[in-house]
Amino acid sequence: NAGVTQTPKFQVLKTGQSMTLQCAQDMNHNSMYWYRQDPGMGLRLIYYSASEGTTDKGEVPNGYNVSRLNKREFSLRLESAAPSQTSVYFCATTQGINTEAFFGQGTRLTVV
Amino acid sequence: QKEVEQNSGPLSVPEGAIASLNCTYSDRGSQSFFWYRQYSGKSPELIMFIYSNGDKEDGRFTAQLNKASQYVSLLIRDSQPSDSATYLCAPLMDSNYQLIWGAGTKLIIKP
Repeated sequence: NAGVTQTPKFQVLKTGQSMTLQCAQDMNHNSMYWYRQDPGMGLRLIYYSASEGTTDKGEVPNGYNVSRLNKREFSLRLESAAPSQTSVYFCATTQGINTEAFFGQGTRLTVV
Repeated sequence: QKEVEQNSGPLSVPEGAIASLNCTYSDRGSQSFFWYRQYSGKSPELIMFIYSNGDKEDGRFTAQLNKASQYVSLLIRDSQPSDSATYLCAPLMDSNYQLIWGAGTKLIIKP
């Protein structure tokens, strides 16, 4: 079992380019999340999906879109990358609301 | 005021000593509290969670919760160099059932 798999691990984009971060889990969890982590700040929730077919905005959704493709996969899209989106992005899953979050290995994104 | 406050550190502790990590939070309705450990360049992993006031022990780790003071702490006994990491405090928000993350405390255990 791989757990939570994110691709890619590293990416450099030019301002204005688009890309999609992929996340897949084999834990049969209902809820999936996308966070960003910046130096000196806690993890900030971008979007989450409480269950297949639903998505909701988190704390910092501007500039991002998501798709819950099926129960296993949750993707994050940057339509027009900006330097302010330079960050480490983590996908996470939980079985329910008050349960342990399992994280992917992270994607280090640099926008120049 | 930040919703979750942690001393950023680094907190330097000699090997074998007790490391004490503190966290205060602003949401009085929070009922569950999680401590995650994050090694440099890695993803967070759960260390402990606590729901009730008082202490909860798991091996070398003890979580302490005081809801009246809106304070949660993590004690690490017999600290080992492998405990060197950043420790993230994450209360579960009562309003939307999402975790709110502190920025973390960097802990360094010196041999």
